[in-house]
Amino acid sequence: ETGVTQTPRHLVMGMTNKKSLKCEQHLGHNAMYWYKQSAKKPLELMFVYSLEERVENNSVPSRFSPECPNSSHLFLHLHTLQPEDSALYLCASRASGGPGELFFGEGSRLTVL
Amino acid sequence: AQSVTQPDIHITVSEGASLELRCNYSYGATPYLFWYVQSPGQGLQLLLKYFSGDTLVQGIKGFEAEFKRSQSSFNLRKPSVHWSDAAEYFCAVGARSGGYNKLIFGAGTRLAVHP
Repeated sequence: ETGVTQTPRHLVMGMTNKKSLKCEQHLGHNAMYWYKQSAKKPLELMFVYSLEERVENNSVPSRFSPECPNSSHLFLHLHTLQPEDSALYLCASRASGGPGELFFGEGSRLTVL
Repeated sequence: AQSVTQPDIHITVSEGASLELRCNYSYGATPYLFWYVQSPGQGLQLLLKYFSGDTLVQGIKGFEAEFKRSQSSFNLRKPSVHWSDAAEYFCAVGARSGGYNKLIFGAGTRLAVHP
């Protein structure tokens, strides 16, 4: 596999469920990002991990909990979500140092009932 | 604060017509600028980027963009649009904060192509 892979591609969950989104990058990058894409809103940066350390938590509610166990994997743990959390969640990675672009996965489409 | 404005939410062009998508940014230092494209149900794919040097940059799929510092703009162009170009286009500026880099995106422009 190459690039950035996100699983699952689609997820439907109730408000009391606990689920996780997974992201894996095969590019040798050491910075990883979670973005949220809602309808009719700009992409919102949620979390940034650089060298496995969280360096930005962009005022995201605690019902979203990121985890970065190593430089290739990033998780977003979800619990007691709200219907307004339904969105496309995009993972991205980049090589640290310099102004390099982000490489995105195809996203996980989350629907909260 | 850094920001990106894409003034056009929707644009419709005929196949074969030329295209220009507008992007204005706000950034205090020399900006790193990007254009991405997103097809329905997909992630974002990089079309082109500007870091320094020649202000006219070429990208994939026949796209180009021109950086104009005096206008704080980075407009995307294509001389002849194909039906497969129908997608959403995002302009982004690279910002450095706390020792790491992030991208700040505009709201996007949705392109429709008429046959």
